Amino acid sequence: DIQMTQSPSFLSASLGNSITITCHASQNIKGWLAWYQQKSGNAPELLIYKASSLQSGVPSRFSGSGSGTDYILTISNLQPEDIATYYCQHYQSFPLTFGSGTKLEIK
Amino acid sequence: EVQLVESGGGLVQPGSSLKLSCVASGFTFSSYNMHWIRQAPKKGLEWIALIYYDSSNKYYADSVKGRFTISRDNSKNTLYLEMNSLRSEDTAMYYCAKWGLGAGYFDYWGQGVMVTVSS
Repeated sequence: DIQMTQSPSFLSASLGNSITITCHASQNIKGWLAWYQQKSGNAPELLIYKASSLQSGVPSRFSGSGSGTDYILTISNLQPEDIATYYCQHYQSFPLTFGSGTKLEIK
Repeated sequence: EVQLVESGGGLVQPGSSLKLSCVASGFTFSSYNMHWIRQAPKKGLEWIALIYYDSSNKYYADSVKGRFTISRDNSKNTLYLEMNSLRSEDTAMYYCAKWGLGAGYFDYWGQGVMVTVSS
């Protein structure tokens, strides 16, 4: 199974700043990576797929990059509505697995 | 508008069975693979099952293989998850999700249904 190591687990940042969340796969996942946002009490929502493709309707403040085993989610110009937990997920092979999540707090 | 609405959750005893349903609308259900994903209280996400659009292939996480069965009825736009031999560690919010275009990510999720396994 491919293990997804996500960091940090917790992140606190100020409004208007930028943050990055990293996700490391235990083997090459060839860009088959998605990022999700989960707000408290809600289902996750897709932000990014294929490592860097923005899902329709997602603000351009969100961007993804990476290749091979290492991937990054960047959120620019942090907004209050970005308070959430963020997860990465690979889809290179079965079983599909998620990172452990990054909880984002606004200072 | 894509909508996925789960139902069938509840409180059950260890060793019992439960069947979840997910009714889909707003897209051509019979053309898309569908997933079940779960999230234990205050924990992360765990993918548990996938069924192809025509039921030709099914995949399961090891944690549920042999106990859970995914199925679908395209005439009713409905996805199912039959859960047997339930354990306390199966306690979770269960989400159905639609397969993303051409790949194994999840582009739409239901609101989830809670399953609690406890004596």
